[in-house]
Amino acid sequence: DGGITQSPKYLFRKEGQNVTLSCEQNLNHDAMYWYRQDPGQGLRLIYYSQIVNDFQKGDIAEGYSVSREKKESFPLTVTSAQKNPTAFYLCASSIGGSAYGYTFGSGTRLTVV
Amino acid sequence: EDKVVQSPLSLVVHEGDTVTLNCSYEVTNFRSLLWYKQEKKAPTFLFMLTSSGIEKKSGRLSSILDKKELFSILNITATQTGDSAIYLCAVHDRGSTLGRLYFGRGTQLTVWP
Repeated sequence: DGGITQSPKYLFRKEGQNVTLSCEQNLNHDAMYWYRQDPGQGLRLIYYSQIVNDFQKGDIAEGYSVSREKKESFPLTVTSAQKNPTAFYLCASSIGGSAYGYTFGSGTRLTVV
Repeated sequence: EDKVVQSPLSLVVHEGDTVTLNCSYEVTNFRSLLWYKQEKKAPTFLFMLTSSGIEKKSGRLSSILDKKELFSILNITATQTGDSAIYLCAVHDRGSTLGRLYFGRGTQLTVWP
């Protein structure tokens, strides 16, 4: 079955450490996105990529980095520069940037300990 | 400033009640409005609305869009405990990056037995 796989489901990080969240899709979608969700907040866009080797900052990119070396993969690194990283992170993809067929992964819950 | 505003942010009802969730938006070049249901993980797609006045219906859920007044409503009739979730509204702005959705903060619906 096609879909988006995010791993791990739960992640604990010590302050000052970088961590990388995985996002893999087998839907052959061109565009991929990373969102952050905090309690009482909607989804806020961190980074997005429309094609391989290209990505753009979203609304809250500070303290995060991404890469898009393969069409299927869009990993997100939460760096030590992100002051408040505890949140639920969602990856999504879409066909050529269309809102129709927008597909979400099951998310990674990151907690700083 | 939020481009998508949902109300109420929280709603508690008893089984069998009917609820109406609201979503207003302000984008430059509207393309579509989407409703999602999020229980604990990935948001699941409910409806995509592009035309005013045409009701979309799926079982006990229905939604309609008013492009003149820039809002949409999501109705749930005969609510059940399984309807308890966060309901997210998102708008696809034609003028934004292709596929980029603007999300509201969501309405947390709790249905008591």
